[in-house]
Amino acid sequence: GDSVTQMEGPVTLSEEAFLTINCTYTATGYPSLFWYVQYPGEGLQLLLKATKADDKGSNKGFEATYRKETTSFHLEKGSVQVSDSAVYFCALSDPKYQLIWGAGTKLIIKP
Amino acid sequence: EAQVTQNPRYLITVTGKKLTVTCSQNMNHEYMSWYRQDPGLGLRQIYYSMNVEVTDKGDVPEGYKVSRKEKRNFPLILESPSPNQTSLYFCASSFVGAEAFFGQGTRLTVV
Repeated sequence: GDSVTQMEGPVTLSEEAFLTINCTYTATGYPSLFWYVQYPGEGLQLLLKATKADDKGSNKGFEATYRKETTSFHLEKGSVQVSDSAVYFCALSDPKYQLIWGAGTKLIIKP
Repeated sequence: EAQVTQNPRYLITVTGKKLTVTCSQNMNHEYMSWYRQDPGLGLRQIYYSMNVEVTDKGDVPEGYKVSRKEKRNFPLILESPSPNQTSLYFCASSFVGAEAFFGQGTRLTVV
């Protein structure tokens, strides 16, 4: 079945560092891909999405490109802030329109 | 304001005492689901509903019940809670195949 694999955390960076959180997937067909963020004590919220190959989703300085050839959707940000500390989830929408989730990656940004 | 509302936010109960966690959305979404989030296990789907009177099991349905009598409401019922159901629970809703909106979460402790 469809699946999503994320890099294990926690990921610890200093403020203004470059961020990459890896996400790869296996899927039949052409799923939509999502990144969600969960700030401490809150529910998940959509960060960005891409619906077809080569699409780039972007929001709040974060970007991710749908790479069909490498089945990847890596999350990147050029300069992280302490306020970006959160748990990040990669997900795909399968042919039955179910969301398949990665395990989540905790990001810790130190001042 | 578009939102998914869960209640209660926090609940401590005793083993075997039936409880209901409510979930309501005001976006006319067809699709609603319940997840539990446990450290190291990510998000696991409990039940989902594609529309009124249509529900189906997710990955971890044992010990839970749901109902979907109205489009906006999707309560989660624990008939006889046990300590292994201590967890953080999230309700989510969406249009089919689109991004999910999450509630703020319910932290349940069963003693």
